[in-house]
Amino acid sequence: NAGVTQTPKFRVLKTGQSMTLLCAQDMNHEYMYWYRQDPGMGLRLIHYSVGEGTTAKGEVPDGYNVSRLKKQNFLLGLESAAPSQTSVYFCASSNPNRAETQYFGPGTRLLVL
Amino acid sequence: AQSVTQLGSHVSVSEGALVLLRCNYSSSVPPYLFWYVQYPNQGLQLLLKYTTGATLVKGINGFEAEFKKSETSFHLTKPSAHMSDAAEYFCAVSAFHTGGFKTIFGAGTRLFVKA
Repeated sequence: NAGVTQTPKFRVLKTGQSMTLLCAQDMNHEYMYWYRQDPGMGLRLIHYSVGEGTTAKGEVPDGYNVSRLKKQNFLLGLESAAPSQTSVYFCASSNPNRAETQYFGPGTRLLVL
Repeated sequence: AQSVTQLGSHVSVSEGALVLLRCNYSSSVPPYLFWYVQYPNQGLQLLLKYTTGATLVKGINGFEAEFKKSETSFHLTKPSAHMSDAAEYFCAVSAFHTGGFKTIFGAGTRLFVKA
């Protein structure tokens, strides 16, 4: 049982390049989330999904797109990376209950030059 | 609307001393409250949570937190700090809104433990 895994762990991009971050969970969770973590700002929700085939915008969605084609996977895309997207990205998953714990992946460090 | 405020971005204590990390929240509906811990280069993991019932909640590694509705607080404490407690701690609130529920995280408090 691997929990939540993220690929890649670290990436350097040039401004304007694109990339996709992959999140996978093996806990059969309905809900999945993408957050970014920046110093002094906690975690901010980018996009989330309440089930396969559905996605919704979070607090800071601009510049990102997501897809949830399979229940266990949640992809985060950057079409044209900007330096402001330099951050640590975390994926999380949970069951659809407000009392449920969110389970986090180990994070992806992204540096945009 | 809901929000979480963690007082103090950095807290430093000596090994063996009391740990107190402060969290205040606002919520228009009864809140569910969480504390998560993040060790260096890792994701967040649950420390403890309050949903309903007993207001004093015990978590892992000797931590506990007390929900005080009148003070809208959910402070995290540990009687005696250990070096291994050095990490970043996040308070979070989850509450129902139209269409589902949302979890809002505080900005985090980094705990330093001095030998």
